Amino acid sequence: QQQVKQSPQSLIVQKGGISIINCAYENTAFDYFPWYQQFPGKGPALLIAIRPDVSEKKEGRFTISFNKSAKQFSLHIMDSQPGDSATYFCAASKGFQKLVFGTGTRLLVSP
Amino acid sequence: GAGVSQTPSNKVTEKGKYVELRCDPISGHTALYWYRQSLGQGPEFLIYFQGTGAADDSGLPNDRFFAVRPEGSVSTLKIQRTERGDSAVYLCASSLQLASDEQFFGPGTRLTVL
Repeated sequence: QQQVKQSPQSLIVQKGGISIINCAYENTAFDYFPWYQQFPGKGPALLIAIRPDVSEKKEGRFTISFNKSAKQFSLHIMDSQPGDSATYFCAASKGFQKLVFGTGTRLLVSP
Repeated sequence: GAGVSQTPSNKVTEKGKYVELRCDPISGHTALYWYRQSLGQGPEFLIYFQGTGAADDSGLPNDRFFAVRPEGSVSTLKIQRTERGDSAVYLCASSLQLASDEQFFGPGTRLTVL
């Protein structure tokens, strides 16, 4: 049973453009929603995270939008750069414990 | 300071063999997690420890998988009678405490079962 659904599977964006990745979850007990960035051969690294008591969180070029009623959240990367090319995973957990990950989005930012 | 380290980085074994994968968490982190990442997929939870005890081992796929953390620091994931389907990257993560938000991941051990 996939509890966190992520789309798209892959994404190509031109340098300077906006990258948008979407996730939907099923378990209403989830209360922590992080996004991880993973480069080939490396472990995932936390990019930004949100709790359900806010609808948006921004850190630099990265923004999470959260819609509790729709059980959806998304990552927006503004002014995308070639160095942002990586695989991005959304995740969810209850109480900061075991993370349930989405299937990942491969982002390629073309120069 | 040093991040989470995992050894070996790569392990090739034959079907039916026993393997051990090691994780060194960030110093002072009391919570430790194991995940498994198959090709093209997101990490899947296996087990996590708070201190020496396994707080939740519900993700272990079967009794061939076992993990220990005897002194509350280094952890070892043990897989008996390996099968080809066990081939994956095994990731370890640690956090300051169980209720802490950020989990810091290691680079993983790539296990290949021939």
